[in-house]
Amino acid sequence: DQQVKQNSPSLSVQEGRISILNCDYTNSMFDYFLWYKKYPAEGPTFLISISSIKDKNEDGRFTVFLNKSAKHLSLHIVPSQPGDSAVYFCAASEVGANSKLTFGKGITLSVRP
Amino acid sequence: ETGVTQSPTHLIKTRGQQVTLRCSSQSGHNTVSWYQQALGQGPQFIFQYYREEENGRGNFPPRFSGLQFPNYSSELNVNALELDDSALYLCASSLLPTKTEAFFGQGTRLTVV
Repeated sequence: DQQVKQNSPSLSVQEGRISILNCDYTNSMFDYFLWYKKYPAEGPTFLISISSIKDKNEDGRFTVFLNKSAKHLSLHIVPSQPGDSAVYFCAASEVGANSKLTFGKGITLSVRP
Repeated sequence: ETGVTQSPTHLIKTRGQQVTLRCSSQSGHNTVSWYQQALGQGPQFIFQYYREEENGRGNFPPRFSGLQFPNYSSELNVNALELDDSALYLCASSLLPTKTEAFFGQGTRLTVV
């Protein structure tokens, strides 16, 4: 039973354009959400997070939006760069669960020069 | 500040054998979590250690066990290896109770033949 779903396995965008990566969740107890980026042969790298008390968090080119009623979040990357090409994982943590993360399957982002 | 380091990076074992994987947490962190990432999947939570005590466990059988040492480094032990245990094993460290973000090592690629 996938509690965190990343339904699109891949996304290809042109350099300079916006990348929008989507994530849905089913567990109402999730209160903290994170995005990780993973290059081949490396561990996941923390990108950005958002608490359930917010609906938006921004860090440079990366913005995460949270829609609690729809149990949906998205990561926006603007502008996209070729170095952003990687697998992106959406992850969530339950109330009181202290960094025990439930991950989606990941989305492979390709940014074309 | 040293990051999370794991050893070894690659390992080949025979079915039925036992394996020990090691992880040094990021400087200043007190919590270590272990994840299993099968091919094409997101990382799955195995268990977490906080101040040398197990602090939560995912849906993994008892032949997966762990330890955390006073310096917050950790070991993951897997007994009676099965072919399906072939995966990337990721260690993540974090600072509880103040932070939810977990920082990952590069992983150990375990192949069971």
